[in-house]
Amino acid sequence: EDQVTQSPEALRLQEGESSSLNCSYTVSGLRGLFWYRQDPGKGPEFLFTLYSAGEEKEKERLKATLTKKESFLHITAPKPEDSATYLCAVQYSSASKIIFGSGTRLSIRP
Amino acid sequence: GAVVSQHPSRVICKSGTSVKIECRSLDFQATTMFWYRQFPKKSLMLMATSNEGSKATYEQGVEKDKFLINHASLTLSTLTVTSAHPEDSSFYICSARTSGQGNTGELFFGEGSRLTVL
Repeated sequence: EDQVTQSPEALRLQEGESSSLNCSYTVSGLRGLFWYRQDPGKGPEFLFTLYSAGEEKEKERLKATLTKKESFLHITAPKPEDSATYLCAVQYSSASKIIFGSGTRLSIRP
Repeated sequence: GAVVSQHPSRVICKSGTSVKIECRSLDFQATTMFWYRQFPKKSLMLMATSNEGSKATYEQGVEKDKFLINHASLTLSTLTVTSAHPEDSSFYICSARTSGQGNTGELFFGEGSRLTVL
């Protein structure tokens, strides 16, 4: 069964304390892996798309990487405004639908 | 990024009434749109895939007669919750995909619609 698992469920960091969020997947024939940020009461905001193992993308303090089994979202020197839920989603095989992980709730303390 | 507009953002209705939620892609055409439901502190659950000009594809366990989806144009899809009940109260989010190679375009989301059924 195709699955997307995110860890940890919740992460609390001090401002400036770098860390990584994990997204592991067991889908066959990955077509694309997506990272989103979601603030409470809002729709997800697109961050990155990764298509193949070894690919990396960066945006401000965020960097996403991809291997054949997992993706990491690295956050460097986070600020309180980076607090949000980060969602990972995977599109697999020839299907058009996208499967979401359960998300990581990130909280950055000033 | 691409813009997806969803309306209304909040709606409160009485039990037994129907509610329509609109999803529009503002700066691109979307042959496929997706409707998700999200419970508090939970991830997004795909309800159905909306295809322009054809019937929607519903996920297992989603009642197609309760959640009516219409994709009338390349920029508009609607979700109608019929005969709403309190258990239908939830956060509904639509998304649309930009075109991409091999159907891997990026997925952009609306702001969501908070439905409360009294």
